[in-house]
Amino acid sequence: GAVVSQHPSRVICKSGTSVKIECRSLDFQATTMFWYRQFPKQSLMLMATSNEGSKATYEQGVEKDKFLINHASLTLSTLTVTSAHPEDSSFYICSARSPVTGGMDTQYFGPGTRLTVL
Amino acid sequence: AQSVTQPDIHITVSEGASLELRCNYSYGATPYLFWYVQSPGQGLQLLLKYFSGDTLVQGIKGFEAEFKRSQSSFNLRKPSVHWSDAAEYFCAVGANDMRFGAGTRLTVKP
Repeated sequence: GAVVSQHPSRVICKSGTSVKIECRSLDFQATTMFWYRQFPKQSLMLMATSNEGSKATYEQGVEKDKFLINHASLTLSTLTVTSAHPEDSSFYICSARSPVTGGMDTQYFGPGTRLTVL
Repeated sequence: AQSVTQPDIHITVSEGASLELRCNYSYGATPYLFWYVQSPGQGLQLLLKYFSGDTLVQGIKGFEAEFKRSQSSFNLRKPSVHWSDAAEYFCAVGANDMRFGAGTRLTVKP
């Protein structure tokens, strides 16, 4: 149980285009989803927290107009990188949390999406 | 503010040897502590977690961790390392705003 998927696993795009990454909780309903960014050989940095049906809360320094987050249902959150540039290339990881599955204190992570912007 | 320090960037151990990965945290209240493992190009898998109760926590894959409040530590241990344990290990603190340590890369020698 508590499986989180991400799609796509890898994406390469041209500079200036937008890319959408999906995060799904497959076997549980996630009231909260988190988006992280991980640079090579570095730790995860929390970008934003989203609760189903409400606007995401962004961490300081994260541009909300560049990284659009939509948490439209209890099993799906999307991250759209708008007007992507090479410096946006990174590994993006989502996680999901449920008060029923694992409790409000445990996050289950997706496998990540490798974004490369040319 | 909460934070996590993993003092060791890279550790190499021989297969079959014991392992201890260090984690020190800074947190204002009773911490929520986690250890995750990440294989190359993969997401994170939860090894174990501590919120309260018994300070020695058992996890998956034969790992355990001990919470020591006096030392602000939550070190991860395994008595006998297997080659498949080679990966990146992250200690994390917090629930709503989880903070991760920088990670420790484990290499296992044959």
